[in-house]
Amino acid sequence: DAGITQSPRHKVTETGTPVTLRCHQTENHRYMYWYRQDPGHGLRLIHYSYGVKDTDKGEVSDGYSVSRSKTEDFLLTLESATSSQTSVYFCAISLSGARYEQYFGPGTRLTVT
Amino acid sequence: AQKITQTQPGMFVQEKEAVTLDCTYDTSDQSYGLFWYKQPSSGEMIFLIYQGSYDEQNATEGRYSLNFQKARKSANLVISASQLGDSAMYFCAMREVLSYGQNFVFGPGTRLSVLP
Repeated sequence: DAGITQSPRHKVTETGTPVTLRCHQTENHRYMYWYRQDPGHGLRLIHYSYGVKDTDKGEVSDGYSVSRSKTEDFLLTLESATSSQTSVYFCAISLSGARYEQYFGPGTRLTVT
Repeated sequence: AQKITQTQPGMFVQEKEAVTLDCTYDTSDQSYGLFWYKQPSSGEMIFLIYQGSYDEQNATEGRYSLNFQKARKSANLVISASQLGDSAMYFCAMREVLSYGQNFVFGPGTRLSVLP
């Protein structure tokens, strides 16, 4: 258990509204990630963070922004939600060391109507 | 760009038998890592096994082993003595080095069903 929580766990929102998803970790890991999971695609990286206030884009970053003002929290914001952003969102941390294996939060199921 | 291919959308295996889930990857990096994750119907992602590109021996973790063939760029997961609880989606992933971190590129997954 890597001590990762996500909130909310489920959310239904309307097209055009802003949405913020929160990822919280308790073990001071430097690297944090946001992925989305869609059928047939596995997981795709949206944004990642390599430290407080240090973030970079991933493969599918359009329409998303992130912020990390504290080590333990990594926020994902959909500025104006669209139906194509209906997905399951996973937060992850990676351990330091040779392997850098990732551990995931429980996921947030977001539905944009 | 890195890419992971899992050609088996679904697999069936009889309980107590072994099963191999295929994964091929594409990279020009010399240093990389390969991972397998399990996602049961409850939705969580569970880390199973890791293989480094410079590791000479195939990785093993309990009933899981990784058949690593570097020249063929394949990293197949072998599950021995399948159990009903092994029914799940399985994802192969490769770690790539980013400017300031690590990214994981995931394959589309294989759904394994274990039959009693």
